Amino acid sequence: AQKVTQAQTEISVVEKEDVTLDCVYETRDTTYYLFWYKQPPSGELVFLIRRNSFDEQNEISGRYSWNFQKSTSSFNFTITASQVVDSAVYFCALSEARDTDKLIFGTGTRLQVFP
Amino acid sequence: EAQVTQNPRYLITVTGKKLTVTCSQNMNHEYMSWYRQDPGLGLRQIYYSMNVEVTDKGDVPEGYKVSRKEKRNFPLILESPSPNQTSLYFCASKRFNEQFFGPGTRLTVL
Repeated sequence: AQKVTQAQTEISVVEKEDVTLDCVYETRDTTYYLFWYKQPPSGELVFLIRRNSFDEQNEISGRYSWNFQKSTSSFNFTITASQVVDSAVYFCALSEARDTDKLIFGTGTRLQVFP
Repeated sequence: EAQVTQNPRYLITVTGKKLTVTCSQNMNHEYMSWYRQDPGLGLRQIYYSMNVEVTDKGDVPEGYKVSRKEKRNFPLILESPSPNQTSLYFCASKRFNEQFFGPGTRLTVL
């Protein structure tokens, strides 16, 4: 069965700290896609990244980086030097190649960055 | 600008009063879907549509209806809303492996 687990319900940090949001997934497919979305206080969902299961290279985009490890079924997200504007709920999601129409979301991690 | 729009953005209604939340996309996507977001549960799929006149149930379809008469529109219908349908609703359209989400509709059923 497919499942996404975000064990951290809420994280609080002080500005400029680094923070890692964990995401663990379960799937029986060998081909699948992993996503991260940001939901700021205004409520919309902002797409951050998509990674397919054959690409295990880590990715860096500015202060954001993602660590994909198939061996541990994890796709963790790190924000370096966090800022107040990073305060949001972050969702990890999975879709399988056999059913890419379905996006399975984790329960989200609320990140609060204090000045 | 490529986008998914939803209306209304906010709605407060009473139990049993039929309502429709509209969703429209201008990207000519065949696939569209509806999700609801609840605290501690993440987003769960309600219904999806692979193309015009083709719809199917997601994980939590009870109490909802949808229709897909045109490619661009995918309205969500609550024939007799109940308080447990108070939630944040997102419409999405998809191309290849990327879903584009609307801005969300916050629904409160009293």
